[in-house]
Amino acid sequence: NAGVTQTPKFQVLKTGQSMTLQCAQDMNHEYMSWYRQDPGMGLRLIHYSVGAGITDQGEVPNGYNVSRSTTEDFPLRLLSAAPSQTSVYFCASRETPTDTQYFGPGTRLTVL
Amino acid sequence: DAKTTQPTSMDCAEGRAANLPCNHSTISGNEYVYWYRQIHSQGPQYIIHGLKNNETNEMASLIITEDRKSSTLILPHATLRDTAVYYCIVRLTSGTYKYIFGTGTRLKVLA
Repeated sequence: NAGVTQTPKFQVLKTGQSMTLQCAQDMNHEYMSWYRQDPGMGLRLIHYSVGAGITDQGEVPNGYNVSRSTTEDFPLRLLSAAPSQTSVYFCASRETPTDTQYFGPGTRLTVL
Repeated sequence: DAKTTQPTSMDCAEGRAANLPCNHSTISGNEYVYWYRQIHSQGPQYIIHGLKNNETNEMASLIITEDRKSSTLILPHATLRDTAVYYCIVRLTSGTYKYIFGTGTRLKVLA
């Protein structure tokens, strides 16, 4: 099992550009989530999904869109990048019934 | 989900036990206590979780007080590789889907 994979590892954008952060898992987990982590801070939940076709907002959803067309993939879209979105982004999938989360290695995004 | 309070930072000598406290005074009867750690900007890693009874696995032990208002994560023989930020999370295991992380405790293991 590859676990949770994320691409790219690093990305630099200019203000106003859009992009998609990719996340995939091969553990057949229904639940997946996206978090952002700003320097010296804890993780904040952006969006989550409880299964294919079902998504919902977390703590800080503004400026981000998600969709879940398959169990394996959960991409995060930045619609119009802003410097405030400079952060490290983590994707996670959740195992049931223990509810243990497995995290990807992260994408480090800088918006200039 | 109940709110948790953890010390901002702690130091521990290598080879000694590291005891990381967590207060969760508003925990409800069916909420579990989870611990994760994050080593130097990697993705967080699951350590252990429990409801009422003390739990032990190959990584750590979790001690939950009888009133469940606080808990302690114990790393029995800390090594330099245990230097990380440790997060205590209280949540229901199913029926709600949000996993809320706080700011955690930064543990530094000293040689």
